[in-house]
Amino acid sequence: ETGVTQTPRHLVMGMTNKKSLKCEQHLGHNAMYWYKQSAKKPLELMFVYNFKEQTENNSVPSRFSPECPNSSHLFLHLHTLQPEDSALYLCASSQAGTAGNEQFFGPGTRLTVL
Amino acid sequence: QQPVQSPQAVILREGEDAVINCSSSKALYSVHWYRQKHGEAPVFLMILLKGGEQKGHDKISASFNEKKQQSSLYLTASQLSYSGTYFCGTEAFNDYKLSFGAGTTVTVRA
Repeated sequence: ETGVTQTPRHLVMGMTNKKSLKCEQHLGHNAMYWYKQSAKKPLELMFVYNFKEQTENNSVPSRFSPECPNSSHLFLHLHTLQPEDSALYLCASSQAGTAGNEQFFGPGTRLTVL
Repeated sequence: QQPVQSPQAVILREGEDAVINCSSSKALYSVHWYRQKHGEAPVFLMILLKGGEQKGHDKISASFNEKKQQSSLYLTASQLSYSGTYFCGTEAFNDYKLSFGAGTTVTVRA
Protein backbone atom coordinates (compact mmCIF):
# COMPACT_ATOMS: atom_id res chain seq x y z
CA GLU A 1 0.00 0.00 0.00
CA THR A 2 1.19 3.47 -0.74
CA GLY A 3 0.07 6.93 0.32
CA VAL A 4 -2.86 7.29 2.67
CA THR A 5 -5.44 4.54 3.01
CA GLN A 6 -8.81 4.62 4.73
CA THR A 7 -11.20 1.87 5.75
CA PRO A 8 -14.02 1.28 5.34
CA ARG A 9 -14.75 3.18 2.15
CA HIS A 10 -18.48 3.17 2.83
CA LEU A 11 -20.35 2.88 6.13
CA VAL A 12 -24.03 2.93 6.97
CA MET A 13 -24.93 3.09 10.64
CA GLY A 14 -27.88 3.73 12.90
CA MET A 15 -27.91 6.50 15.46
CA THR A 16 -27.32 4.07 18.33
CA ASN A 17 -24.40 2.21 16.73
CA LYS A 18 -20.73 2.49 17.56
CA LYS A 19 -18.25 2.27 14.72
CA SER A 20 -14.68 3.32 13.95
CA LEU A 21 -12.97 4.75 10.90
CA LYS A 22 -9.35 3.86 10.27
CA CYS A 23 -6.63 5.77 8.48
CA GLU A 24 -3.07 4.64 7.76
CA GLN A 25 -0.28 6.59 6.09
CA HIS A 26 2.79 5.03 4.51
CA LEU A 27 4.65 8.29 3.84
CA GLY A 28 6.71 8.67 7.01
CA HIS A 29 4.76 11.76 8.04
CA ASN A 30 4.32 12.96 11.61
CA ALA A 31 1.08 14.89 11.35
CA MET A 32 -2.37 13.46 10.65
CA TYR A 33 -5.72 15.13 10.18
CA TRP A 34 -9.45 14.36 10.07
CA TYR A 35 -11.66 16.44 7.79
CA LYS A 36 -15.41 16.36 7.18
CA GLN A 37 -16.64 17.04 3.65
CA SER A 38 -20.37 17.70 3.27
CA ALA A 39 -22.12 18.43 0.02
CA LYS A 40 -21.85 22.05 -1.08
CA LYS A 41 -19.67 22.97 1.92
CA PRO A 42 -15.94 23.59 2.32
CA LEU A 43 -13.72 20.95 3.83
CA GLU A 44 -13.99 21.27 7.61
CA LEU A 45 -10.95 20.49 9.74
CA MET A 46 -11.92 18.33 12.72
CA PHE A 47 -8.75 17.15 14.46
CA VAL A 48 -4.99 17.49 14.09
CA TYR A 49 -2.33 15.23 15.57
CA ASN A 50 1.37 16.11 15.59
CA PHE A 51 3.75 13.36 16.74
CA LYS A 52 0.75 11.45 18.18
CA GLU A 53 -0.38 14.42 20.28
CA GLN A 54 -3.69 16.13 19.57
CA THR A 55 -2.96 19.76 18.75
CA GLU A 56 -6.31 20.82 17.33
CA ASN A 57 -9.94 20.07 18.12
CA ASN A 58 -12.06 22.30 15.98
CA SER A 59 -15.10 22.38 18.29
CA VAL A 60 -16.09 18.88 17.27
CA PRO A 61 -18.99 17.24 19.19
CA SER A 62 -17.95 14.58 21.67
CA ARG A 63 -19.77 11.88 19.68
CA PHE A 64 -16.62 11.95 17.51
CA SER A 65 -13.58 10.64 19.37
CA PRO A 66 -10.17 10.50 17.68
CA GLU A 67 -7.30 8.21 18.57
CA CYS A 68 -3.72 8.27 17.30
CA PRO A 69 -1.73 5.30 18.66
CA ASN A 70 1.32 6.09 16.52
CA SER A 71 2.37 8.44 13.74
CA SER A 72 1.13 6.08 11.04
CA HIS A 73 -2.38 5.33 12.28
CA LEU A 74 -5.38 7.47 13.07
CA PHE A 75 -8.85 6.40 14.14
CA LEU A 76 -12.16 8.19 14.45
CA HIS A 77 -14.54 6.49 16.86
CA LEU A 78 -18.20 7.22 16.27
CA HIS A 79 -21.12 6.83 18.66
CA THR A 80 -24.69 8.08 18.84
CA LEU A 81 -24.32 10.04 15.62
CA GLN A 82 -27.00 12.20 14.05
CA PRO A 83 -28.25 12.13 10.45
CA GLU A 84 -26.54 15.49 9.83
CA ASP A 85 -23.21 13.75 10.47
CA SER A 86 -23.60 11.96 7.16
CA ALA A 87 -20.68 13.11 5.00
CA LEU A 88 -17.38 12.09 3.47
CA TYR A 89 -14.70 11.83 6.15
CA LEU A 90 -11.21 12.43 4.83
CA CYS A 91 -7.93 11.65 6.50
CA ALA A 92 -4.73 13.46 5.54
CA SER A 93 -1.09 13.45 6.56
CA SER A 94 1.88 15.78 6.22
CA GLN A 95 5.27 16.51 7.67
CA ALA A 96 4.79 18.06 11.09
CA GLY A 97 6.27 21.10 12.71
CA THR A 98 6.73 23.31 9.68
CA ALA A 99 4.00 25.37 8.14
CA GLY A 100 3.53 25.18 4.42
CA ASN A 101 3.75 21.39 4.16
CA GLU A 102 1.55 19.78 1.55
CA GLN A 103 -1.11 17.41 2.83
CA PHE A 104 -1.78 14.05 1.27
CA PHE A 105 -5.38 12.86 1.44
CA GLY A 106 -6.86 9.41 1.66
CA PRO A 107 -9.86 8.40 -0.49
CA GLY A 108 -12.31 8.99 2.36
CA THR A 109 -15.06 7.08 4.11
CA ARG A 110 -18.58 7.83 2.89
CA LEU A 111 -20.69 7.74 6.07
CA THR A 112 -24.46 7.55 6.10
CA VAL A 113 -26.30 7.85 9.41
CA LEU A 114 -29.86 6.58 9.37
CA GLN B 1 -12.34 32.10 8.66
CA GLN B 2 -12.53 30.28 5.35
CA PRO B 3 -11.27 31.81 2.12
CA VAL B 4 -13.71 32.79 -0.59
CA GLN B 5 -13.38 31.17 -3.99
CA SER B 6 -14.79 32.39 -7.28
CA PRO B 7 -16.34 31.43 -9.56
CA GLN B 8 -18.36 28.55 -8.09
CA ALA B 9 -18.34 26.73 -11.40
CA VAL B 10 -16.91 27.10 -14.89
CA ILE B 11 -17.47 25.17 -18.11
CA LEU B 12 -14.71 25.14 -20.71
CA ARG B 13 -14.03 23.62 -24.09
CA GLU B 14 -10.74 21.86 -24.55
CA GLY B 15 -7.98 24.37 -25.18
CA GLU B 16 -9.69 27.26 -23.40
CA ASP B 17 -8.25 29.08 -20.40
CA ALA B 18 -9.76 29.80 -17.00
CA VAL B 19 -8.85 31.61 -13.79
CA ILE B 20 -9.96 30.63 -10.30
CA ASN B 21 -9.61 33.15 -7.49
CA CYS B 22 -9.15 32.66 -3.77
CA SER B 23 -9.24 35.51 -1.28
CA SER B 24 -8.82 35.68 2.47
CA SER B 25 -9.52 38.24 5.18
CA LYS B 26 -6.36 37.17 7.04
CA ALA B 27 -2.67 37.80 6.41
CA LEU B 28 -1.49 34.61 4.75
CA TYR B 29 1.62 32.54 5.15
CA SER B 30 0.80 30.17 2.31
CA VAL B 31 -1.83 29.11 -0.17
CA HIS B 32 -2.32 25.49 -1.25
CA TRP B 33 -4.25 24.34 -4.30
CA TYR B 34 -5.88 20.91 -4.62
CA ARG B 35 -8.02 19.21 -7.23
CA GLN B 36 -10.64 16.59 -6.41
CA LYS B 37 -12.31 14.39 -8.96
CA HIS B 38 -15.68 12.85 -8.19
CA GLY B 39 -15.36 9.98 -5.74
CA GLU B 40 -11.62 10.46 -5.29
CA ALA B 41 -9.29 12.05 -2.74
CA PRO B 42 -8.19 15.66 -3.16
CA VAL B 43 -4.82 15.75 -4.93
CA PHE B 44 -2.17 18.34 -4.14
CA LEU B 45 -1.31 20.65 -7.06
CA MET B 46 0.98 23.31 -5.63
CA ILE B 47 1.81 25.52 -2.71
CA LEU B 48 2.76 29.19 -2.75
CA LEU B 49 4.80 30.55 0.11
CA LYS B 50 6.03 33.97 -0.92
CA GLY B 51 4.21 37.10 -2.02
CA GLY B 52 3.99 37.52 -5.77
CA GLU B 53 5.52 34.12 -6.44
CA GLN B 54 4.18 32.07 -9.30
CA LYS B 55 4.45 28.33 -9.50
CA GLY B 56 3.49 25.93 -12.22
CA HIS B 57 2.37 22.36 -12.65
CA ASP B 58 2.20 21.35 -16.31
CA LYS B 59 -0.13 23.99 -17.82
CA ILE B 60 -1.62 24.89 -14.45
CA SER B 61 0.02 27.79 -12.69
CA ALA B 62 -0.79 30.02 -9.75
CA SER B 63 0.12 33.36 -8.29
CA PHE B 64 0.01 34.70 -4.74
CA ASN B 65 -0.50 38.37 -4.00
CA GLU B 66 0.47 38.62 -0.37
CA LYS B 67 -0.60 42.25 0.00
CA LYS B 68 -4.08 41.57 -1.30
CA GLN B 69 -4.28 38.20 0.48
CA GLN B 70 -5.32 36.61 -2.77
CA SER B 71 -4.26 33.75 -4.96
CA SER B 72 -5.26 32.86 -8.48
CA LEU B 73 -5.04 29.51 -10.26
CA TYR B 74 -4.59 29.62 -14.03
CA LEU B 75 -5.73 26.73 -16.22
CA THR B 76 -4.09 27.21 -19.61
CA ALA B 77 -5.10 25.31 -22.75
CA SER B 78 -7.39 23.13 -20.67
CA GLN B 79 -7.51 19.38 -21.18
CA LEU B 80 -10.33 16.94 -20.41
CA SER B 81 -8.28 15.70 -17.45
CA TYR B 82 -8.54 19.12 -15.83
CA SER B 83 -12.18 18.51 -14.93
CA GLY B 84 -12.81 18.36 -11.20
CA THR B 85 -13.33 20.58 -8.19
CA TYR B 86 -10.47 22.90 -7.30
CA PHE B 87 -9.97 23.95 -3.70
CA CYS B 88 -7.70 26.55 -2.25
CA GLY B 89 -6.44 26.07 1.29
CA THR B 90 -4.97 28.99 3.19
CA GLU B 91 -2.61 29.13 6.15
CA ALA B 92 -2.61 32.32 8.18
CA PHE B 93 0.37 33.59 10.14
CA ASN B 94 0.39 32.15 13.68
CA ASP B 95 -2.45 29.79 12.78
CA TYR B 96 -0.78 27.07 10.77
CA LYS B 97 -3.69 24.94 9.76
CA LEU B 98 -5.47 24.88 6.44
CA SER B 99 -8.82 26.55 5.91
CA PHE B 100 -10.41 25.51 2.64
CA GLY B 101 -12.61 27.41 0.24
CA ALA B 102 -15.92 25.98 -0.96
CA GLY B 103 -14.39 24.85 -4.23
CA THR B 104 -14.74 25.66 -7.93
CA THR B 105 -16.15 22.97 -10.18
CA VAL B 106 -14.44 22.90 -13.55
CA THR B 107 -15.96 20.97 -16.45
CA VAL B 108 -13.90 20.64 -19.61
CA ARG B 109 -15.78 19.43 -22.68
CA ALA B 110 -14.43 18.12 -25.95
